[in-house]
Amino acid sequence: AQKITQTQPGMFVQEKEAVTLDCTYDTSDPSYGLFWYKQPSSGEMIFLIYQGSYDQQNATEGRYSLNFQKARKSANLVISASQLGDSAMYFCAMRDSWGAGSYQLTFGKGTKLSVIP
Amino acid sequence: DVKVTQSSRYLVKRTGEKVFLECVQDMDHENMFWYRQDPGLGLRLIYFSYDVKMKEKGDIPEGYSVSREKKERFSLILESASTNQTSMYLCASSSSGTGNKETQYFGPGTRLLVL
Repeated sequence: AQKITQTQPGMFVQEKEAVTLDCTYDTSDPSYGLFWYKQPSSGEMIFLIYQGSYDQQNATEGRYSLNFQKARKSANLVISASQLGDSAMYFCAMRDSWGAGSYQLTFGKGTKLSVIP
Repeated sequence: DVKVTQSSRYLVKRTGEKVFLECVQDMDHENMFWYRQDPGLGLRLIYFSYDVKMKEKGDIPEGYSVSREKKERFSLILESASTNQTSMYLCASSSSGTGNKETQYFGPGTRLLVL
């Protein structure tokens, strides 16, 4: 079963507008972590933001914030004031604790964001 | 800043060749990972290592092996390259901490073409 689901293969946003990238996850473990990465066309994966399952507040990092709704098992990334340099693939990932794989991340298939001038 | 480097950005090999992809990290991280990335499939874990000389199979280990003789270096080996191994290969490392310290940091990737 797919553990991380990103339902938007591609999205467009106008420059300076906010955009939300969806991510839902599936785990039965009460302790888990959620990550968002950005991958520009150059290929390198860039860490953006982290949310722990026990964190009381939604994570924020500059223009990035995570809309964490635990009961719905969703961890949507919100990018405020989009810039042309935000055009990239965005991946949601999860770490949950089980056995020897406790350090592994499971990735979604990604959302391609295009920022329109 | 964490730095993860990979030996090549682009690599072209012939079917049947033995291929070595090298990855080095400078943050004394315990964990290192090799992924392959294909369009529409996202990132899939090939192997990971949580300590020197230790390795664990990921989701798609067939056709690959790994070596970790030193903490900072993790090598991916294609014993006999095949055309279906043409892909983008990404190396990552992470600390064995909790919370944000578990973040995996990635190298720039190697685009491998097997002819």
